[in-house]
Amino acid sequence: DVKVTQSSRYLVKRTGEKVFLECVQDMDHENMFWYRQDPGLGLRLIYFSYDVKMKEKGDIPEGYSVSREKKERFSLILESASTNQTSMYLCASSFGQGREKLFFGSGTQLSVL
Amino acid sequence: GENVEQHPSTLSVQEGDSAVIKCTYSDSASNYFPWYKQELGKGPQLIIDIRSNVGEKKDQRIAVTLNKTAKHFSLHITETQPEDSAVYFCAASTGGFKTIFGAGTRLFVKA
Repeated sequence: DVKVTQSSRYLVKRTGEKVFLECVQDMDHENMFWYRQDPGLGLRLIYFSYDVKMKEKGDIPEGYSVSREKKERFSLILESASTNQTSMYLCASSFGQGREKLFFGSGTQLSVL
Repeated sequence: GENVEQHPSTLSVQEGDSAVIKCTYSDSASNYFPWYKQELGKGPQLIIDIRSNVGEKKDQRIAVTLNKTAKHFSLHITETQPEDSAVYFCAASTGGFKTIFGAGTRLFVKA
């Protein structure tokens, strides 16, 4: 089974802090994604990557950046956390030809105080 | 922009009854329609999907139907069981990297 592992289940940070969310997948998938999940809004795409060092903006990239230095690892960075970034963050991966079939991690619930 | 509307937001059924969740998409270029189930404390998991060249697909107790003309697709769960209780998301994709998700339906199955 594909395993997508997110480093933290819960995270509490202060406004203005720099926050790193880490994600690792073990199935040699080319594509990796970061979504945020908010009640009543479903899942919204923040950034995705289709190859090492490649990144593309999703639908809500403002306030976020990403890094993909190795194929298996995709990091989401909040340069200066704000309270409106309090949310559940979900990492996902997919293989090249079947890019639409997403495998999700368990999520990181981030609270920014 | 592209949008997927999902109804109802909450659904409560008695064990053994059927449950139906409906979605409507806006982008006529959408050709792939997955359904994800999210259990408490877990990430969403793909449970069934359908492509635009197929009208219906079934996998044991779950089935999905697609009406391309009306841009509607639905998830049907028969003989519901308590372990079906979860949040279900419909989604639509044009085959690229961006998948548009519905807002989710919280399904409660009462024993």
